[in-house]
Amino acid sequence: AQSVTQPDIHITVSEGASLELRCNYSYGATPYLFWYVQSPGQGLQLLLKYFSGDTLVQGIKGFEAEFKRSQSSFNLRKPSVHWSDAAEYFCAVLTGTASKLTFGTGTRLQVTL
Amino acid sequence: DVKVTQSSRYLVKRTGEKVFLECVQDMDHENMFWYRQDPGLGLRLIYFSYDVKMKEKGDIPEGYSVSREKKERFSLILESASTNQTSMYLCAGSTGQGIGEPQHFGDGTRLSIL
Repeated sequence: AQSVTQPDIHITVSEGASLELRCNYSYGATPYLFWYVQSPGQGLQLLLKYFSGDTLVQGIKGFEAEFKRSQSSFNLRKPSVHWSDAAEYFCAVLTGTASKLTFGTGTRLQVTL
Repeated sequence: DVKVTQSSRYLVKRTGEKVFLECVQDMDHENMFWYRQDPGLGLRLIYFSYDVKMKEKGDIPEGYSVSREKKERFSLILESASTNQTSMYLCAGSTGQGIGEPQHFGDGTRLSIL
């Protein structure tokens, strides 16, 4: 069965530092992968998605993610974190039909000033 | 822009009550979803619907049911609320017009069962 693992429950970075959030997936075929962000008290917002083609995907808010098939990974990166990036981040993989998604357990990002 | 609206941000109910959580979308979404979100567990799919009057069980349907009488509205029903159903509930929709079409989420309903 398809699954997503986010190994880091909580990460703290300083404002201006670079960020990498890890995501590993388990899927038999080429996966459709997503990163979502959830600000406190809000729903989830799509940051970016990968279906095929270029393995480096650009998203909103300066985020990017790189698909590495050999490592079954889809890590999210940002060169310079802003205090407003503090939120919870979810990686997800498309599962079956009707746009069903399987989510990871999330990584909470704290940004120190 | 796509808009998914959940009728309540916060809800407090008592054990044994029948609870309705409402979700409305203003786009022509074919697919609609109900998740619950718990710390350390991420989002888990309860039910989804790919058309009016159609529904399918997700990963954790026990204790829940859903209703989709109109395309724009998808209701989650707790038949007899229990304390272990205290959680954040998120509704989402997607157009269903292509593989991997992203889901758009509402702001969530934080439900407490006392």
